[in-house]
Amino acid sequence: EAQVTQNPRYLITVTGKKLTVTCSQNMNHEYMSWYRQDPGLGLRQIYYSMNVEVTDKGDVPEGYKVSRKEKRNFPLILESPSPNQTSLYFCASSLWEGQGGNEQFFGPGTRLTVL
Amino acid sequence: GNSVTQMEGPVTLSEEAFLTINCTYTATGYPSLFWYVQYPGEGLQLLLKATKADDKGSNKGFEATYRKETTSFHLEKGSVQVSDSAVYFCALSSGSARQLTFGSGTQLTVLP
Repeated sequence: EAQVTQNPRYLITVTGKKLTVTCSQNMNHEYMSWYRQDPGLGLRQIYYSMNVEVTDKGDVPEGYKVSRKEKRNFPLILESPSPNQTSLYFCASSLWEGQGGNEQFFGPGTRLTVL
Repeated sequence: GNSVTQMEGPVTLSEEAFLTINCTYTATGYPSLFWYVQYPGEGLQLLLKATKADDKGSNKGFEATYRKETTSFHLEKGSVQVSDSAVYFCALSSGSARQLTFGSGTQLTVLP
């Protein structure tokens, strides 16, 4: 089954304790992206990657890091989490071809709470 | 920069009512336009899309037409069902990075 998986689905942590949220897709997609969803703000892009070893900042990259060592994986790293990073996080992937009308496939989400 | 404005929610309708959710956008170039739907506890799913002016996207009884002259992509359905209760997001993709820019979402509740 074609899918995007994220782990963990739920995480409660404390300020300053490094964490990683994993994302993996099995569709051989070139493009992967991380979003955060906050009430009244919709989804905002954190980082994206157009292929292996190619990453770039989205609209809200502060406090986050990513890496793309393999095509299928795109982990999100919070080196020193703070309470304002409490949010619902989504990973997404898509093909990288055509003129930009490609569907992005979303993972189930990771709900992060930073105390 | 790019932006998407959606009508404020929440929207509550009775089953079989007509639905319109307004969406307008600001973008450089020629964006692709999307409606995504998020059911409770799930990730987003593509509902429909349109990639050029005057295109109509349709799926599951929902429709939206890409109107370049009014920079709009309003979502419509003639007869909603309880199972349509969800959050609906309008989005656009533009530029070399094809970044998706989302509206704030509209919560729809359909009552039996």
